[in-house]
Amino acid sequence: QSALTQPPSASGSPGQSVTISCAGTSNDIGGSKYVSWYQQHPGKAPKLMIYEVTKRPSGVPDRFSGSKSGNTASLTVSGLQAEDEADYYCSSYTGSNNWGVFGTGTKVTVL
Amino acid sequence: EVQLVQSRAEVKKPGESLEISCKGSGYRFTSNWISWVRQMPGKGLEWMGRIDPSDSHSNYSPSFQGHVTISSDKSTNTAYLQWSSLKPSDTAMYYCARQMFGETLDYWGQGTLVTVSS
Repeated sequence: QSALTQPPSASGSPGQSVTISCAGTSNDIGGSKYVSWYQQHPGKAPKLMIYEVTKRPSGVPDRFSGSKSGNTASLTVSGLQAEDEADYYCSSYTGSNNWGVFGTGTKVTVL
Repeated sequence: EVQLVQSRAEVKKPGESLEISCKGSGYRFTSNWISWVRQMPGKGLEWMGRIDPSDSHSNYSPSFQGHVTISSDKSTNTAYLQWSSLKPSDTAMYYCARQMFGETLDYWGQGTLVTVSS
């Protein structure tokens, strides 16, 4: 199972929005409602930010939103803040082999 | 409060064996699978395998099958990741995480850094 494809980097100024894409196939993103996004600050463990494409766990700011179209999922961070600077990973359930797969990761920089 | 607390960092020599642990608290440990995830230095996340603590049934990503063993002990709410013969390429941060439906990982341990060097 190949990793999902994300852009290596994305950036925006404070207060702006940034959108990260996550490209897969019909075997994973396209065929699953279980798409998640994780935030990882340097030296820290990943943190769940979005699950089931659009849902936010308790405590995650509503500045974070998820969506999906066809075989591509997206994470949008609105009203960028300095603390949003981190690596972001998508993941998807692959029903064909009952497994999960991560994206390649995107480093978000707040200018 | 759900917590997964992992064992401390390890420095090992090639060929040595190792077991690292992940202790869960704040929830019914047998209700959720536990996954193990590798992150090599400067690289992304890789799913290694997972275990159902209720019956210790485990399965592995093809990339890790045969290279590691995942086990659990429900009497102590602990999951384990084990190597019988370490290689320098096993140098990485290893995370355990609680699994929800659809392979969603909602709580993560703090990570255990494993360094393998002669």
